[in-house]
Amino acid sequence: AQSVTQPDIHITVSEGASLELRCNYSYGATPYLFWYVQSPGQGLQLLLKYFSGDTLVQGIKGFEAEFKRSQSSFNLRKPSVHWSDAAEYFCAVGVSNFGNEKLTFGTGTRLTIIP
Amino acid sequence: DSGVTQTPKHLITATGQRVTLRCSPRSGDLSVYWYQQSLDQGLQFLIQYYNGEERAKGNILERFSAQQFPDLHSELNLSSLELGDSALYFCASSVRDRGHNEQFFGPGTRLTVL
Repeated sequence: AQSVTQPDIHITVSEGASLELRCNYSYGATPYLFWYVQSPGQGLQLLLKYFSGDTLVQGIKGFEAEFKRSQSSFNLRKPSVHWSDAAEYFCAVGVSNFGNEKLTFGTGTRLTIIP
Repeated sequence: DSGVTQTPKHLITATGQRVTLRCSPRSGDLSVYWYQQSLDQGLQFLIQYYNGEERAKGNILERFSAQQFPDLHSELNLSSLELGDSALYFCASSVRDRGHNEQFFGPGTRLTVL
């Protein structure tokens, strides 16, 4: 069965500093990988996704992520965070099986931004 | 705004009761997914429907059931509610059946069982 590990429960970053959120997955085949963001009281918004091709993917709000098969990782990065980036971030792996697609989520990383 | 709507936004009820959560997918999306987000279990997939038919089941309790109607909206029914059912319930929709899909999430329904 597939699984996702986000080893950092909570990260605090200064505004303007760079950010990297870690995500490791476990899945036998080529995974479909996603990063979602959840602001307080809000639903989940897709930041970016990896299906195939270029292993460095660009997303919305200045985020990017790099798929590294050898490390089973899909880390999320942003060169300079803004106070509005404070939220909870979820990494997810998608499993496709004849149209049955579910997302398996990590436990999330809560990002706090300090001035 | 993802285009997926969920009603109600909040629901407060008592143990033993039954509630129905409603989801309207984005226009044209045939698949609907239900997820539960709780403090102890995190985000868990419950069930998927595609064009009215059940496609995949996850960690959905027997007390819970869902259906997708001809107009593609979906309802999640939760019965014999327990305190532990308190959670945020998300609905998501996607358009493709084969291959990979991008799921768009609704704002969720927060269920509180007292």
